[in-house]
Amino acid sequence: NAGVTQTPKFQVLKTGQSMTLQCAQDMNHNSMYWYRQDPGMGLRLIYYSASEGTTDKGEVPNGYNVSRLNKREFSLRLESAAPSQTSVYFCASMAGLGNIQYFGAGTRLSVL
Amino acid sequence: GQQLNQSPQSMFIQEGEDVSMNCTSSSIFNTWLWYKQDPGEGPVLLIALYKAGELTSNGRLTAQFGITRKDSFLNISASIPSDVGIYFCAGRWSTNAGKSTFGDGTTLTVKP
Repeated sequence: NAGVTQTPKFQVLKTGQSMTLQCAQDMNHNSMYWYRQDPGMGLRLIYYSASEGTTDKGEVPNGYNVSRLNKREFSLRLESAAPSQTSVYFCASMAGLGNIQYFGAGTRLSVL
Repeated sequence: GQQLNQSPQSMFIQEGEDVSMNCTSSSIFNTWLWYKQDPGEGPVLLIALYKAGELTSNGRLTAQFGITRKDSFLNISASIPSDVGIYFCAGRWSTNAGKSTFGDGTTLTVKP
């Protein structure tokens, strides 16, 4: 049982490049989330999808877009990467309101 | 936006000692969560609290949901080396699509 799987685990980009971070969960969860974690800080919500077919902005959405491709997959896209987006990105999923969020192992992104 | 103040920022203790950390918020939540993050991994839920005044244990861990609903604390008794990691508190409204606000974390180091 894999849980929440994120790819890639590491990525280095040049300023202005684009890329998509992938996330998939095999727990049949309704809700999925993207967070970023900067050094010495907690996780901040970028975007979330409360259910298949819906997406909403979180606390820090600027510079990002998301796609809830199906119930399993929720991708995060950086259209034009900036050094300020250097961070560790975590995807999470949750069965329903009030339930437990399960996190992936993270994608470590550096933008030069 | 909502802010969580988590303290202390870091702790260095001897194996066998007890540990206490807390989290305070500028606004109320109806769910408090405590996570642990190991290096290179995503956060893993330790304890969830759903009711003001609730005291919940998970092995050597005990957490309480403050009666004002603006604070929570986590105690670890008789620490062991594998307790090393970063501990995060998070507050959530169960009706708010599962969006969590995280504290900045407490880094725990345990000396054998």
